[in-house]
Amino acid sequence: EIVLTQSPATLSLSPGERATLSCRASQSVSSYLAWYQQKPGQAPRLLIYDASNRATGIPARFSGSGSGTDFTLTISSLEPEDFAVYYCQQRSNWPQITFGQGTRLEIK
Amino acid sequence: QVQLVESGGGLVKPGGSLRLSCAASGFTFSDYYMSWIRQAPGKGLEWVSYISSSGSTIYYADSVKGRFTISRDNAKNSLYLQMNSLRAEDTAVYYCARDNIAAAGSSFDYWGQGTLVTVSS
Repeated sequence: EIVLTQSPATLSLSPGERATLSCRASQSVSSYLAWYQQKPGQAPRLLIYDASNRATGIPARFSGSGSGTDFTLTISSLEPEDFAVYYCQQRSNWPQITFGQGTRLEIK
Repeated sequence: QVQLVESGGGLVKPGGSLRLSCAASGFTFSDYYMSWIRQAPGKGLEWVSYISSSGSTIYYADSVKGRFTISRDNAKNSLYLQMNSLRAEDTAVYYCARDNIAAAGSSFDYWGQGTLVTVSS
């Protein structure tokens, strides 16, 4: 099973700052990596797929990069509504799909 | 607009059974692969099962293989998850999710609001 390790576990930043979230895979997942945002009491929302493609309706301040084992989700300038939990997800070793443990982005 | 609405969750005793349903609308259901994904209270996300658009291809996570059965009825725009031999560790919110057809890799572009399954005596 491919394990995804997200860091940091918690990130404390202020609105307007830049956020950089990391996701590392235990073996290469090529570019088959997605990012989701989840707010309390809500379902996850797809932000990025195939490592760097923004999903429909996702603001341009969200961007994804990386390939192989190291991936980054960047939020260029944090808005108040961006404070949430973020998960990465891979499907490289289809059909087994795994998620990272999440990064909590909190207001400093 | 795309909508996925789960139902069927509730409290069940260990060893019991439950059938979840997911009603889809706003898109051509029969064109899309679908999955069930769960989230234990206060925990992360765990993929449970996947079914192809026709229902001919099905996969399960090892944690539920042999106990859960995924199915779909394209005429009724519905996805199902039959859960048998339930264990305490199956307690979670269960989401149905649509496969992102635009992606080379599998990702999930629409999710339902989830239905809570609690396994407890």
